[in-house]
Amino acid sequence: DQQVKQNSPSLSVQEGRISILNCDYTNSMFDYFLWYKKYPAEGPTFLISISSIKDKNEDGRFTVFLNKSAKHLSLHIVPSQPGDSAVYFCAAINFGNEKLTFGTGTRLTIIP
Amino acid sequence: SQTIHQWPATLVQPVGSPLSLECTVEGTSNPNLYWYRQAAGRGLQLLFYSVGIGQISSEVPQNLSASRPQDRQFILSSKKLLLSDSGFYLCAWTPPGQRKNTEAFFGQGTRLTVV
Repeated sequence: DQQVKQNSPSLSVQEGRISILNCDYTNSMFDYFLWYKKYPAEGPTFLISISSIKDKNEDGRFTVFLNKSAKHLSLHIVPSQPGDSAVYFCAAINFGNEKLTFGTGTRLTIIP
Repeated sequence: SQTIHQWPATLVQPVGSPLSLECTVEGTSNPNLYWYRQAAGRGLQLLFYSVGIGQISSEVPQNLSASRPQDRQFILSSKKLLLSDSGFYLCAWTPPGQRKNTEAFFGQGTRLTVV
């Protein structure tokens, strides 16, 4: 049962444009949502998070939007840079049992 | 400051051999600990997590097991490896309890190749 889903396995975006990565979830008990960036053969790097009681969090070029009614969150990167090329994972955690669940990832390629 | 150590970085093991991957966290107490596996072309699959010593939650039934013999030590084991156990294994920790913000911190991973 995949509780956190990223339906787009890959995404290509022109440098300077906006990258939008999407994530859907099924468990309404999640307390926090996180986005991670991962390079091959390395551990994921934390990007940004959002509490389930918020609908938007912004940090520099990264903004995460949460739509609880749709059980959907998205990560916006603007402007996109070549160094943003990586696999992006969304994740969700339930503080009740501390279970941290990741999505399947989206490979983002920024085209110079 | 908190740090997480995971070793070894790479491992090549024959089918049927045992496995032991170790993860330790420093600079924090009672962390929540996690083992994930990233198989080729797939996402981060949660294998085990632990909220305290001796408390292990298993997510995926398979020939792997996990143990937490000490507060900041998490071990992933297998008695007999299968070819399908090949992958990139990651250990992670999160702070305990309710909190205003949260972040999971990852080790550098172990590339396991079963031959």
